[in-house]
Amino acid sequence: AQKVTQAQTEISVVEKEDVTLDCVYETRDTTYYLFWYKQPPSGELVFLIRRNSFDEQNEISGRYSWNFQKSTSSFNFTITASQVVDSAVYFCALSEEGGYGGATNKLIFGTGTLLAVQP
Amino acid sequence: GAGVSQSPSNKVTEKGKDVELRCDPISGHTALYWYRQSLGQGLEFLIYFQGNSAPDKSGLPSDRFSAERTGGSVSTLTIQRTQQEDSAVYLCASSLVLRFGYTFGSGTRLTVV
Repeated sequence: AQKVTQAQTEISVVEKEDVTLDCVYETRDTTYYLFWYKQPPSGELVFLIRRNSFDEQNEISGRYSWNFQKSTSSFNFTITASQVVDSAVYFCALSEEGGYGGATNKLIFGTGTLLAVQP
Repeated sequence: GAGVSQSPSNKVTEKGKDVELRCDPISGHTALYWYRQSLGQGLEFLIYFQGNSAPDKSGLPSDRFSAERTGGSVSTLTIQRTQQEDSAVYLCASSLVLRFGYTFGSGTRLTVV
């Protein structure tokens, strides 16, 4: 069965600190997609990254980086030099490959990690 | 449209009343999803549409919940005889193909009093 675990419920850091948000997933499929979303206090879900199961290259986008390790079923997210604007709930999610040309039936979300960056 | 549009943005209803929540996906997106986010909780999958059909309804919590999609576009989520535990933010997302990701609307905040 699909499952996403974000063991860190809340993290508090001081501005400019680096912070890593953990995500561990379970799936029986060999083809799947992993996502990170940001939900700021305003409530909308902001897409950050999508990674497919065949691409284990780490990715960096500005202050954000992602470490995908199939051996440990983890897809961790690191924010370097955190800023107050990074304060939000961050969700990791998993979707398994299905029919319909690649679109599958649902995203399974973790319970989210609330990141508070103090000035 | 440019994004996923949901209406109303806020809805307060009395216990026992029926409500309809609307989702207008991005034009051309064939897949549409409804999720529910209760206060302080993660996102709970409700139902998935591919075109006008719903191959996965496994997340609908009870038979008071139903959804339809017409013309491969707009979707309506209906909750009958609302209960206080139905209070949550209902989010809609659409997708063309998975490799392009999902786009979420800003949600409808439902409060049952």
